[in-house]
Amino acid sequence: SAVISQKPSRDICQRGTSLTIQCQVDSQVTMMFWYRQQPGQSLTLIATANQGSEATYESGFVIDKFPISRPNLTFSTLTVSNMSPEDSSIYLCSVGEGAISSGNSPLHFGNGTRLTVT
Amino acid sequence: SQQGEEDPQALSIQEGENATMNCSYKTSINNLQWYRQNSGRGLVHLILIRSNEREKHSGRLRVTLDTSKKSSSLLITASRAADTASYFCATARNSGYSTLTFGKGTMLLVSP
Repeated sequence: SAVISQKPSRDICQRGTSLTIQCQVDSQVTMMFWYRQQPGQSLTLIATANQGSEATYESGFVIDKFPISRPNLTFSTLTVSNMSPEDSSIYLCSVGEGAISSGNSPLHFGNGTRLTVT
Repeated sequence: SQQGEEDPQALSIQEGENATMNCSYKTSINNLQWYRQNSGRGLVHLILIRSNEREKHSGRLRVTLDTSKKSSSLLITASRAADTASYFCATARNSGYSTLTFGKGTMLLVSP
């Protein structure tokens, strides 16, 4: 299974600033997924990052707030822009098994980035 | 809309006891998956059960799926303190490209 390195593991940021989270996978994958987990809650998909095309955002998430880069098949970044305390969450990147992710495959997760906005 | 709903929200048991968690969902699915999350960390995949399967085992884990009732259960037998974690079910709606929809999770505490 894929090994996913995510950094930073945690950060405390001031309101109005931006934070970029990096996700590195040890194998090539077509799709990478970015999730948000608000305190005590389940996971909500932010967007799907495809290499070579624009990310696909879920309802309630917009590119201006959460710009995503996917420069190659092993790396992606998620930026949380113009942060407010409501953005305090754990942000997780994940990939499916194999080069192509499908609904039949489990997801593998990084250890997440715990973000606190003051 | 939220697809999976687990119950109970929290479960506290003693080591050696069995733990049962349930998951209900609303729409038809291709498969259902269970994940574990240790405090503040990423999720770890436990088991995947397809819509045409009724029961699946993996070590001390037993998962059942009842598509007529749109529900699944995760049984952990002979629990250990190391099983303390949050457990989430997640559903995939189709066999092609699909994204998982996660439930709200059950927080399991296993006391020594």
